[in-house]
Amino acid sequence: GQNIDQPTEMTATEGAIVQINCTYQTSGFNGLFWYQQHAGEAPTFLSYNVLDGLEEKGRFSSFLSRSKGYSYLLLKELQMKDSASYLCAVRDSNYQLIWGAGTKLIIKP
Amino acid sequence: IAGITQAPTSQILAAGRRMTLRCTQDMRHNAMYWYRQDLGLGLRLIHYSNTAGTTGKGEVPDGYSVSRANTDDFPLTLASAVPSQTSVYFCASSVSGTSANEQFFGPGTRLTVL
Repeated sequence: GQNIDQPTEMTATEGAIVQINCTYQTSGFNGLFWYQQHAGEAPTFLSYNVLDGLEEKGRFSSFLSRSKGYSYLLLKELQMKDSASYLCAVRDSNYQLIWGAGTKLIIKP
Repeated sequence: IAGITQAPTSQILAAGRRMTLRCTQDMRHNAMYWYRQDLGLGLRLIHYSNTAGTTGKGEVPDGYSVSRANTDDFPLTLASAVPSQTSVYFCASSVSGTSANEQFFGPGTRLTVL
């Protein structure tokens, strides 16, 4: 079966750095996405990786290792507004997105 | 309008009733999707459409139907609602269903079936 695993919840301090991990087992791989979802709102796109390595976009970076079925999202200089759920999704061989349950990130002052 | 709109925002429905959730996008995206989101679970794909006139089944299609008469609209119908269909429903779209494009999401419809 297809499976995306991410931690259920993480806590971090304002101004710090946090890494959210995602491991996956899917039928085929056509890219990995990270989305942010604030409570009661729609998911919004953060990053996309299809080749191994690190993609940096401002305070957010995303890393992919296809051989390990592993990705992480790195958030630097955390702000209170970063409190949200972070969703990992893999596009499978049918080009459908398989979603993890999301990681709820709590930022403390 | 800009982006994707969904209606209604929320709805309480008696079991056995028929309900259509509406979704409209103005980005001229070819692909559209319907997901449900339940606590503790990832988004699950119900149905999708890669282009106007075509639809496909996702992971959890039973009890739901869709149509794609034109590019902009992608309604989701529950023929006879059951309590297990209580969920938050998100419509999404992307430029293409088969390329490296992100999906854009509507604000969601919170549906409660009693």
